[in-house]
Amino acid sequence: QKEVEQDPGPLSVPEGAIVSLNCTYSNSAFQYFMWYRQYSRKGPELLMYTYSSGNKEDGRFTAQVDKSSKYISLFIRDSQPSDSATYLCAMDGGGTSYGKLTFGQGTILTVHP
Amino acid sequence: DTAVSQTPKYLVTQMGNDKSIKCEQNLGHDTMYWYKQDSKKFLKIMFSYNNKELIINETVPNRFSPKSPDKAHLNLHINSLELGDSAVYFCASSPRARVGGYTFGSGTRLTVV
Repeated sequence: QKEVEQDPGPLSVPEGAIVSLNCTYSNSAFQYFMWYRQYSRKGPELLMYTYSSGNKEDGRFTAQVDKSSKYISLFIRDSQPSDSATYLCAMDGGGTSYGKLTFGQGTILTVHP
Repeated sequence: DTAVSQTPKYLVTQMGNDKSIKCEQNLGHDTMYWYKQDSKKFLKIMFSYNNKELIINETVPNRFSPKSPDKAHLNLHINSLELGDSAVYFCASSPRARVGGYTFGSGTRLTVV
């Protein structure tokens, strides 16, 4: 079983839809949770960074962490065609992990006009 | 003003050759990383350096050797290239391990023929 599970999709939604992306994880040592967006042939770009359980909002993006269920989500409101990309969740543990991120497989999202 | 820059962007080479990939960051970050992304978009850490010191060395063949001449540079040398080494290699940096998210370079697409 992978430490981080993410449905690879693909996910196709109409413009303006609310998108929900999710990851589950098994390692309770994970303390830091991130979402990255990766456009084709580009490097991942940090969207959201959270430490604790709860919600964090940034513009059209909301990150949600539920440590008790080992489940994180990213919501995109009013989705745009420019949101079409691969979305990667990533997690970092404490202790001696020294910033080693464990990534999900990525969800391919297409927002069509 | 690229924050994390990698060269070359594309690399096509024959099996058995030795090649290097260079990375530089101008963000003043202390920690730098090499990640490998396979054909299924799965990102996996290879190495991490903190202020020129190797702190993460995942299970990577010893044909791969990272070198950090200073904290702004992290290079990756690969000996005796194999077909299975074909992937996209990403350099990344962060202020300190586990502080904030990473900033990724745009990747080096390595094809071994």
